Amino acid sequence: GENVEQHPSTLSVQEGDSAVIKCTYSDSASNYFPWYKQELGKRPQLIIDIRSNVGEKKDQRIAVTLNKTAKHFSLHITETQPEDSAVYFCAPHKAAGNKLTFGGGTRVLVKP
Amino acid sequence: DSGVTQTPKHLITATGQRVTLRCSPRSGDLSVYWYQQSLDQGLQFLIQYYNGEERAKGNILERFSAQQFPDLHSELNLSSLELGDSALYFCASSVGGDRETQYFGPGTRLLVL
Repeated sequence: GENVEQHPSTLSVQEGDSAVIKCTYSDSASNYFPWYKQELGKRPQLIIDIRSNVGEKKDQRIAVTLNKTAKHFSLHITETQPEDSAVYFCAPHKAAGNKLTFGGGTRVLVKP
Repeated sequence: DSGVTQTPKHLITATGQRVTLRCSPRSGDLSVYWYQQSLDQGLQFLIQYYNGEERAKGNILERFSAQQFPDLHSELNLSSLELGDSALYFCASSVGGDRETQYFGPGTRLLVL
């Protein structure tokens, strides 16, 4: 099965600094790469995604970069704010019918 | 609000019992996914249904089963419950069944005593 690893598992940053989370996967057939954010006690929500034909995608303070050759993709949050504090999950997808594997999560704490 | 609903919100039961969790997907979504999230753990994919048919299977125990009905709502049945089954169970839905955004419900928190 697919091995998915996220690093770091916890990340503490000062408000205004940047945060980067890396997701490494093992299956080269993966071609859809979403990031989900889960605030304490709430449901996971998609914050950004990227497909394998694109190298980078930005949405305001959030960006995702993909390196298919090295089999990893990263979430970048700039100008962090306290409301960015949450657990972030990556979930590389393959074609339909395959088991979905989420990364173990990265707990981000933004200190005011 | 994602448009995905789950009932009940909370469930307390005893070991050995059986429970049913219910999920209604967003209007128009054909796929339903079930996940288990234990305390401070990640999301473990259990199973996916697409338009009434099983599409993909994850680490779902034999004591667990699910189905998707003609009106596209889904139920997850957990039987012979053990203490370790205590967790938050999420369902999610998507329009199709292949590499798309999933919209998560609020979850059902199950406590097995």
